Amino acid sequence: AQTVTQSQPEMSVQEAETVTLSCTYDTSESDYYLFWYKQPPSRQMILVIRQEAYKQQNATENRFSVNFQKAAKSFSLKISDSQLGDAAMYFCALGGNYKLTFGKGTLLTVNP
Amino acid sequence: GAVVSQHPSRVICKSGTSVKIECRSLDFQATTMFWYRQFPKKSLMLMATSNEGSKATYEQGVEKDKFLINHASLTLSTLTVTSAHPEDSSFYICSARDVGQGAYGANVLTFGAGSRLTVL
Repeated sequence: AQTVTQSQPEMSVQEAETVTLSCTYDTSESDYYLFWYKQPPSRQMILVIRQEAYKQQNATENRFSVNFQKAAKSFSLKISDSQLGDAAMYFCALGGNYKLTFGKGTLLTVNP
Repeated sequence: GAVVSQHPSRVICKSGTSVKIECRSLDFQATTMFWYRQFPKKSLMLMATSNEGSKATYEQGVEKDKFLINHASLTLSTLTVTSAHPEDSSFYICSARDVGQGAYGANVLTFGAGSRLTVL
């Protein structure tokens, strides 16, 4: 069975500062994908960033980057220059064959 | 980009009635769609995988007869909550895989905006 653990139920950050959200996972698969999704109050799930497990290079999307430690099964998300619009629930997800297992989420608050 | 439309966004029904939720891929074909359930301030739990032209695959613990899934075309999957009860009240989200995205889009899903079901 696959599991995803987000140990931080809530986090807060000052606008323009940097914040890191943690995620660990467990899987017996050798080929898998990792994702961070954002769910704002509208409840629409939005893909933030994606990492293929076979790639050693950490994925980056503008202000969002990940620290993927495959041996440690860790996949953290760093948000730089935080903006008010980044406030949302963030879910870490593990997937293969399009089936996703989600963590419990981290509620991020951005303070002006 | 790929868009998934989910309808209705909100529905209130009486206990014992059935409710149908539609999930449509608007600008791409989706051979596979997924249905999730999300309780308040909780994570998404996969309920079932909807396959076009064949039976859905349900996750362990999900009642097939309670949650009927039909995927009759490459752009439409429906979830019917039969004989709904208050405990079925929840937020239901669908997602779809774009078969045209190939290797680049591998494993990337597009989500609908969700449907909030309230059973009185």
